[in-house]
Amino acid sequence: QSVLTQPPSASGTPGQRVTISCSGSSSNIGSNSVNWYQQLPGTAPKLLIYNNNRRPSGVPDRFSGSKSGTSASLAISGLQSEDEADYYCAAWDDSLKGYDRLKGYVFGTGTKVTVL
Amino acid sequence: QLQMQESGPGLVKPSETLSLTCTVSGGSISSSTSYWGWIRQPPGEGLEWIGTIFYTGNTYYSPSLKGRVTISVDTSKDQFSLRLRSVTAADTAVYYCARGGDYGNWFDPWGQGTLVTVSS
Repeated sequence: QSVLTQPPSASGTPGQRVTISCSGSSSNIGSNSVNWYQQLPGTAPKLLIYNNNRRPSGVPDRFSGSKSGTSASLAISGLQSEDEADYYCAAWDDSLKGYDRLKGYVFGTGTKVTVL
Repeated sequence: QLQMQESGPGLVKPSETLSLTCTVSGGSISSSTSYWGWIRQPPGEGLEWIGTIFYTGNTYYSPSLKGRVTISVDTSKDQFSLRLRSVTAADTAVYYCARGGDYGNWFDPWGQGTLVTVSS
């Protein structure tokens, strides 16, 4: 059961801007950086954005990330057909359950982006 | 260029132990800034973090799997391994290994993944 909530789907026509939201809490997004992963059909996930808004080498600048409070967003500007994929946000989560400090890496529920 | 490759049985019987190994090439598993993680994805579902290990053996496990999972590292072979005990059909998934960069803050690169089916 994921603690980061994303819309199940998003879509746009080529060239449009698409935004995906990721809603968390103070124990994850609110206190840790957010990463985004892109999973093309039938392939392994790939790091798309790290530390909220940084792009790894080779990731086009049409992908951008932002974070505010306990939410984060991924924006795809100038949508292209090859952007059709599943997108996941992720962050470390530090929570306290009784006397146990729990630390875990949590993924969002995932958003399927369709290029119309 | 760092590469990750998972290996292990593709079929495990219920109640038995799932064992996978990830081989790291193009770099050292003893990096001072890299952690090493296992993530899984049931067919048609989302991603689930299993656990992360540092080359010294320091580990973090998913609270939902803690008690059934063990991750270990073999620095002499640049490998790290996953053992998941008492498996059920719910453990059927594609299992990925990945490098946890920036002290485990994000995962990159990922291995291609290996499908493990739990069935008698």
